[in-house]
Amino acid sequence: DQQVKQNSPSLSVQEGRISILNCDYTNSMFDYFLWYKKYPAEGPTFLISISSIKDKNEDGRFTVFLNKSAKHLSLHIVPSQPGDSAVYFCAASNKAAGNKLTFGGGTRVLVKP
Amino acid sequence: ETGVTQSPTHLIKTRGQQVTLRCSSQSGHNTVSWYQQALGQGPQFIFQYYREEENGRGNFPPRFSGLQFPNYSSELNVNALELDDSALYLCASRRWASNTGELFFGEGSRLTVL
Repeated sequence: DQQVKQNSPSLSVQEGRISILNCDYTNSMFDYFLWYKKYPAEGPTFLISISSIKDKNEDGRFTVFLNKSAKHLSLHIVPSQPGDSAVYFCAASNKAAGNKLTFGGGTRVLVKP
Repeated sequence: ETGVTQSPTHLIKTRGQQVTLRCSSQSGHNTVSWYQQALGQGPQFIFQYYREEENGRGNFPPRFSGLQFPNYSSELNVNALELDDSALYLCASRRWASNTGELFFGEGSRLTVL
């Protein structure tokens, strides 16, 4: 039972263009959504998050959009840079359930110079 | 501020053996959780520890067990290792009072079971 899904396993984008990563979830009890970035041989690092009471959160080049009715969120990276090449994980949590994170399967992003 | 550290970084075991993985939480963090990341998949929640007690568990059998110590460091123990236990084991920490669920991860311990 995959409660969080990232349907695109990989994404290739030209440097300077926009990267859009998508994530779908099924559990309506999730109240916080996070994106993590992972380089090889490193642990995931937090990128950006959004509360379920908001529909957009922006931090520099990164913006996360949440559509609760569609149970869908997306991460926009503008402009994409070669250093953004990594695996990106979408995750969701529910404070009442102890804030454990439920992760999607990840999207591998390659930014070409 | 010291981040999350894990040991060992790599290890190889044979089926049926037992393994202990260790984790030191980030300074100021009192809650530790463990995740298993199989190849090509996202991390899966194993369990969480707060105040030295298990506080939440994912869909893992009892042969996966853990401890948290008074200094908030933690251990993950896996008994009777199976081939499918081969994975990257990630430790993460946070403050219990955090509203966001944001976790700070270590680099992981890569376990290979032969």
